[in-house]
Amino acid sequence: EIVLTQSPATLSLSPGERATLSCWASQSVSTSLAWYQQKPGQAPRLLIYDASKRGTGIPARFSGSGSGTDFTLTISSLEPEDFAVYYCQQRTNWPRITFGPGTKVDVK
Amino acid sequence: QVQLQESGPGLVKPSETLSLTCTVSGYSISSGYYWGWIRQPPGKGLEWIGSIYHSGTTYYNPSLKSRVSISIDTSKNQFSLKLTSVTAADTAVYYCARPSTGLDPWGQGTLVTVSS
Repeated sequence: EIVLTQSPATLSLSPGERATLSCWASQSVSTSLAWYQQKPGQAPRLLIYDASKRGTGIPARFSGSGSGTDFTLTISSLEPEDFAVYYCQQRTNWPRITFGPGTKVDVK
Repeated sequence: QVQLQESGPGLVKPSETLSLTCTVSGYSISSGYYWGWIRQPPGKGLEWIGSIYHSGTTYYNPSLKSRVSISIDTSKNQFSLKLTSVTAADTAVYYCARPSTGLDPWGQGTLVTVSS
């Protein structure tokens, strides 16, 4: 089973700052990695798929990069609505999937 | 626009069976795609439970495989989850979603509490 690790567990930043979130896979997942945003009381929302492609209606300030085992989600300039929990998810053994433990982005 | 909606009891007794249904609108599930269930215990992360193809082929999380069953009813445009022998550890928000290159869309989720 492929295990995903996310770092940091919590990221404390101010609006307008740049956020860099990391996700590592225990073995290569190629570019079969997605990122989700989840706000309290809401279902997760797909931000990025195939490591770097933005989902429908996702603002350009969200970008994804990486391949193999190392991936990054970058939020170029945090808006107030971006403070949330972010999860990575791999689908190499499709349709079996696994999620990372999440990174919480909160207000500094 | 594809929409998913979970339904089912919000309270299940220990050792009994949890049953949930996901109703899909805006798309005929017999046309294709996988359809899946994910859960999230209170304050914790996301766990994939399993997925079903429109043909009925199923895939389950190995950690739950002995207790999980997912089925599909194309006539009602629904797919369903059954989880047997539940314990307090199965208390979670249960989501249905459409797995593709990413999980999208998602239902709003339904909280199921296991308690006597």
